[in-house]
Amino acid sequence: AQTVTQSQPEMSVQEAETVTLSCTYDTSESDYYLFWYKQPPSRQMILVIRQEAYKQQNATENRFSVNFQKAAKSFSLKISDSQLGDAAMYFCAYRGNSGNTPLVFGKGTRLSVIA
Amino acid sequence: NAGVTQTPKFQVLKTGQSMTLQCAQDMNHEYMSWYRQDPGMGLRLIHYSVGAGITDQGEVPNGYNVSRSTTEDFPLRLLSAAPSQTSVYFCASSYSGFRDTDTQYFGPGTRLTVL
Repeated sequence: AQTVTQSQPEMSVQEAETVTLSCTYDTSESDYYLFWYKQPPSRQMILVIRQEAYKQQNATENRFSVNFQKAAKSFSLKISDSQLGDAAMYFCAYRGNSGNTPLVFGKGTRLSVIA
Repeated sequence: NAGVTQTPKFQVLKTGQSMTLQCAQDMNHEYMSWYRQDPGMGLRLIHYSVGAGITDQGEVPNGYNVSRSTTEDFPLRLLSAAPSQTSVYFCASSYSGFRDTDTQYFGPGTRLTVL
């Protein structure tokens, strides 16, 4: 079974600085998807960024980028120019590509942004 | 589009009561799923459906029933509520497990307390 591990329960960053959230996963599949979701206090789950395993290029969405290391099974999220609105829980998630497979989530990292 | 909607937002039950959490989506998504979120546990899959008339169990299905009579609706039934079912419940949907349309969209969540 696939597992997703987020080893940092809590992180903090100064406003305007850069922070990296870690995620590792375990799978025997060669084709899959990886996601980062943001959950603010409103509890809504918001997709931040996604990465297809077959793509070597790291995904980027504005201030958010990933460092995808397929051989190491690592998928970290970098947030540049951190803003107060980035404070939230961040979940890393995995989804296989064999049929209709569900998302597997990590336990989350709580990010605080210090003004 | 309203996206994924869930009702109610909050619910308090007594042990042994039954109830149904409603989930609906207006994006014509085939794939729908229910997750529960507990502190320090991330999101765990309860049940999912790959289309009308088809459902399957996830990681933590005990105590819950689902049905999928239409593409739009995917209700979650608690048969006899227990305090261990106190949690926040999320419904999610996506087109399918196919490569180009794999992003899951989440509802706003239902906070359930069982006394």
